[in-house]
Amino acid sequence: AQSVTQLDSQVPVFEEAPVELRCNYSSSVSVYLFWYVQYPNQGLQLLLKYLSGSTLVKGINGFEAEFNKSQTSFHLRKPSVHISDTAEYFCAVIMGGSEKLVFGKGTKLTVNP
Amino acid sequence: DAGVTQSPTHLIKTRGQQVTLRCSPKSGHDTVSWYQQALGQGPQFIFQYYEEEERQRGNFPDRFSGHQFPNYSSELNVNALLLGDSALYLCASSLRRHGYTFGSGTRLTVV
Repeated sequence: AQSVTQLDSQVPVFEEAPVELRCNYSSSVSVYLFWYVQYPNQGLQLLLKYLSGSTLVKGINGFEAEFNKSQTSFHLRKPSVHISDTAEYFCAVIMGGSEKLVFGKGTKLTVNP
Repeated sequence: DAGVTQSPTHLIKTRGQQVTLRCSPKSGHDTVSWYQQALGQGPQFIFQYYEEEERQRGNFPDRFSGHQFPNYSSELNVNALLLGDSALYLCASSLRRHGYTFGSGTRLTVV
C-alpha cells in the first residue's frame, strides 16, 4: 500500500535555529510531492511542491525541500525559523495515475523564544 | 479571488443522524476532493468529483456519499453517523491534480 512516513511527530527548536522535517514515501512509480502547513483550527496551506525538474524546490515563508529519488525522501528545511512557524506540517504524495493525496501523520513544529 | 469555501464551519450531530457538508471550489477549478482529518492525524482521502461524477474513492463505507453540481460546487453526505465520524472535513479543489487548494474545513462533532 502507498504510504508516507514523517519520521518525527514533534520537533521543538529555538527561534532563529535551522530545522529539518523528514518525510519518506513508499512508491516505485512516479510521484508528485507536497508539503502543507496547518495552523490551529485552520485548513491546509501549500508550502511547496515537486512535480518534475530541479530536485531542490523553494516554497513560501523561506522553506525549501529536496527530492531524493534513490532514498524516496522529500525533507523540508528552513535555515532560520520564527515563532510564527509554529504549526503542524504535513508531507503528501500523489503516486502514479492516482488522483488522491496521501498524507503523512504530520510533524508538530514548536518554535521557542 | 475567493478560495475554497466550506459551510458550515462547525456542526454538532447526534449518533444515527445524517449530515450534509458543502463546498464551493476556487474560481476556475473544476475538481473537488473531500478529506477526513481525525484529531492528531493526517487527512484521509474520501473521494473526488469531476464532471459531476465520482472519479476516485478512498476506503470509506457507503455511508459517505457525495455530489457535484454543474457549477462545480459539491456536497458530502454522511448517513447513520457514528461517534468515530467526528473529525475535521476538508474540501480541496483543483484544475489539475497537482494544484490542490484546501478550504478551512468543517468541524463535525458526533455526540
